Amino acid sequence: NAGVTQTPKFQVLKTGQSMTLQCAQDMNHEYMSWYRQDPGMGLRLIHYSVGAGITDQGEVPNGYNVSRSTTEDFPLRLLSAAPSQTSVYFCASTGAAYNEQFFGPGTRLTVL
Amino acid sequence: GQSLEQPSEVTAVEGAIVQINCTYQTSGFYGLSWYQQHDGGAPTFLSYNALDGLEETGRFSSFLSRSDSYGYLLLQELQMKDSASYFCVLTTADKLIFGTGTRLQVFP
Repeated sequence: NAGVTQTPKFQVLKTGQSMTLQCAQDMNHEYMSWYRQDPGMGLRLIHYSVGAGITDQGEVPNGYNVSRSTTEDFPLRLLSAAPSQTSVYFCASTGAAYNEQFFGPGTRLTVL
Repeated sequence: GQSLEQPSEVTAVEGAIVQINCTYQTSGFYGLSWYQQHDGGAPTFLSYNALDGLEETGRFSSFLSRSDSYGYLLLQELQMKDSASYFCVLTTADKLIFGTGTRLQVFP
């Protein structure tokens, strides 16, 4: 099993550009989520999904969209990148127990 | 709302025991988890307490007291590789809520 994979690992954008961060898991987990982590900070929840076709907002959803068309994939879309979105983005998935999240390696995004 | 508080930094020497405390405010939750994150890496799961009391996993133990809204992570026989950030995390009905993390530095 590959676990949770994220692409790309690094990305530099200009202000106003849009892009999609990819996340996939092969553990058949229903619950997936996206976090951002700023330097020296904890993880803040952006969006999450409890299953295919169902998404909901987390703590910091503004400027981001998600979709969940399959159990495996949960892409995060930045609509119009801003310097405040410079961060490390982690995708995670959780099995039925909800008590252990498996994290991807992260995407380090810089917006100029 | 829901919030968690942890000390920002803890230091200790190799071989010592260190306790990282976590206090929380929440209207309801399923349990309290702990995650470890090395610099540049992703968080990894350490432990989960659904019930009050102590859970032991090797050198690490975690404790929860719902009546005191308090938990802690206990690390024994510290090793240099334990230098990392540690997060306490509330598991609610539909999401995990992370604390701001405690940076542990282990010195030789």
